[in-house]
Amino acid sequence: AAGVIQSPRHLIKEKRETATLKCYPIPRHDTVYWYQQGPGQDPQFLISFYEKMQSDKGSIPDRFSAQQFSDYHSELNMSSLELGDSALYFCASSLGAGDPEAFFGQGTRLTVV
Amino acid sequence: LAKTTQPISMDSYEGQEVNITCSHNNIATNDYITWYQQFPSQGPRFIIQGYKTKVTNEVASLFIPADRKSSTLSLPRVSLSDTAVYYCLVGEAAGNKLTFGGGTRVLVKP
Repeated sequence: AAGVIQSPRHLIKEKRETATLKCYPIPRHDTVYWYQQGPGQDPQFLISFYEKMQSDKGSIPDRFSAQQFSDYHSELNMSSLELGDSALYFCASSLGAGDPEAFFGQGTRLTVV
Repeated sequence: LAKTTQPISMDSYEGQEVNITCSHNNIATNDYITWYQQFPSQGPRFIIQGYKTKVTNEVASLFIPADRKSSTLSLPRVSLSDTAVYYCLVGEAAGNKLTFGGGTRVLVKP
């Protein structure tokens, strides 16, 4: 069965650089979530989209932005990267607004050096 | 958003039943209770969801008392591969925000 696809799987960037993470949800899923998980920490909700519109916002820094495109894939854009941005970034998708059964991708490991 | 409280960690042995209780005293009428499992460096995986009473699937059971202020995830006959962090989430019927609080680190020993 198709799963949530995230790319790239690994990314190394220098401080102050920009990074773009991509997420391809499960076909027909209309909701996408982004999470950040630092080492030894719980996943922190960043932002979510429903039907290409931002639906909820969590602890996403102003340096980060995201959007969901017409084909439902989503991109998380991160600028002015800091060492503390090093983390696993997960994307998840679900079917329908408020559906608590979300399917997570394998994540993108971002390392800022 | 209802806050959840779970044990930080639990140890068990292969073949035993593991029960993890989550407290959510201020759960709202429209909230569902959902449990996720996470292995290191992997995305969380949905286990089970319920609203009240008991729900069972091929992986686990979820017990929710009438007042819904707590819930218990039951993992029958655990194996070493069940070693993971388990998260209890209480979600609103509307909205798109799954909030992960402190999970329970379950260690299954041989």
